[in-house]
Amino acid sequence: DAGVIQSPRHEVTEMGQEVTLRCKPISGHNSLFWYRQTMMRGLELLIYFNNNVPIDDSGMPEDRFSAKMPNASFSTLKIQPSEPRDSAVYFCASSQWRMEGNSPLHFGNGTRLTVT
Amino acid sequence: GESVGLHLPTLSVQEGDNSIINCAYSNSASDYFIWYKQESGKGPQFIIDIRSNMDKRQGQRVTVLLNKTVKHLSLQIAATQPGDSAVYFCAGVGGYGGSQGNLIFGKGTKLSVKP
Repeated sequence: DAGVIQSPRHEVTEMGQEVTLRCKPISGHNSLFWYRQTMMRGLELLIYFNNNVPIDDSGMPEDRFSAKMPNASFSTLKIQPSEPRDSAVYFCASSQWRMEGNSPLHFGNGTRLTVT
Repeated sequence: GESVGLHLPTLSVQEGDNSIINCAYSNSASDYFIWYKQESGKGPQFIIDIRSNMDKRQGQRVTVLLNKTVKHLSLQIAATQPGDSAVYFCAGVGGYGGSQGNLIFGKGTKLSVKP
């Protein structure tokens, strides 16, 4: 089991540049989540998908953030234009949602984003 | 200006001792809880979960206890090892049958194991 795979592991960019973060969920999982982690705010849910469909994007900070899931094995989180306050670790997680109950989320190792 | 970071509660234990990490939740309708371990530079790692129809669940060296009366959750680690040093998060689904999108994370507790 390869786990959730995120790329890149580190991203350093200048303010105003576009940033694209990538995620490959665990094969067979039908739910995918994007989280952001900072020292000040802890773990925050940005958006999540069920069966490739965005369900709740109320956590997305503003229009500069967008996420897509074109198929069951790939998702992107894009920030355009990036700002220094976007600096954080971004995690992708996946799970197998079942009618009979919840199952745990499995996280990738994150992308550490630094915007200068 | 200088930013103030989130100061995590810290639990310091001696290697070989048992550790107990506590978590309180506010939503009495929450029906599913998870404990995660996060090591430096890594994502949160699933440890153990429990549903609200149980009050105890055991894994390998770990036990989760759920007290719905006082809305309290605890993680017990037996014979704590240096490799257990990490930040531990509890998380709960907010509301009966709630979607995993409603998973709410606690602020975390830092466990430090002294050799």
